[in-house]
Amino acid sequence: QPVLTQPPSASASLGASVTLTCTLSSGYSDYKVDWYQQRPGKGPRFVMRVGTGGIVGSKGDGIPDRFSVLGSGLNRYLTIKNIQEEDESDYHCGADHGGGSNFVVVFGGGTKLTVL
Amino acid sequence: QVQLQESGPGLVKPSETLSLTCTVSGYSVSSDAYYWTWIRQPPGKGLEWIGYIYHSGITNYNPSLKSRVTISVDTSKNHFSLKLSSVTAADTAIYYCARRGRYCSGGNCYTNWFDPWGQGTLVTVSS
Repeated sequence: QPVLTQPPSASASLGASVTLTCTLSSGYSDYKVDWYQQRPGKGPRFVMRVGTGGIVGSKGDGIPDRFSVLGSGLNRYLTIKNIQEEDESDYHCGADHGGGSNFVVVFGGGTKLTVL
Repeated sequence: QVQLQESGPGLVKPSETLSLTCTVSGYSVSSDAYYWTWIRQPPGKGLEWIGYIYHSGITNYNPSLKSRVTISVDTSKNHFSLKLSSVTAADTAIYYCARRGRYCSGGNCYTNWFDPWGQGTLVTVSS
């Protein structure tokens, strides 16, 4: 099954842009990844799904246009432009693997985004 | 608006069984369009998928937890439940329930993302 790797932390200044990365392990370059935002003390919230062709389907409810995704090779990117204070959150990526009784969902370790 | 709410004991003794319920409002768990899922997050760590159930009772569990997990659904109460047996301190976590979309095309069925999630409930395993 794939391993999803995320840097543990990232930071950006108010109004700036930041790109978060989720890297799939070798051999899984065709996998789609789901991004989730988790504000402090809250449950995660779906942001959007990304494959090598970009966004798959639609954004989560209430996700602003400042959020976008891109996929390239083993990397799945989440970019946030014009960062606001409310964007300070943990961001998780997840992916499905297998089917039937071998189905499993795997998550990365999460990236904590700090807004300076 | 669909809402999910976890409930259950916040403290469980080692070797005992953890039991949680997820009550769904604003949507029926009997729908063909969704799986009902449990996910957990140990303090300061990442997310771990536990498993899901379909309204028909079909389940699928994380192989790492499969021997200890049971997920069930009660359509009359519009809720689904999690039981995790023989718990240890390693099972201390925030437990979330979530809905996951399901669609079928060309004879195959696929999953969408987890949306929405409950707010989570902290379960501590300690004597």
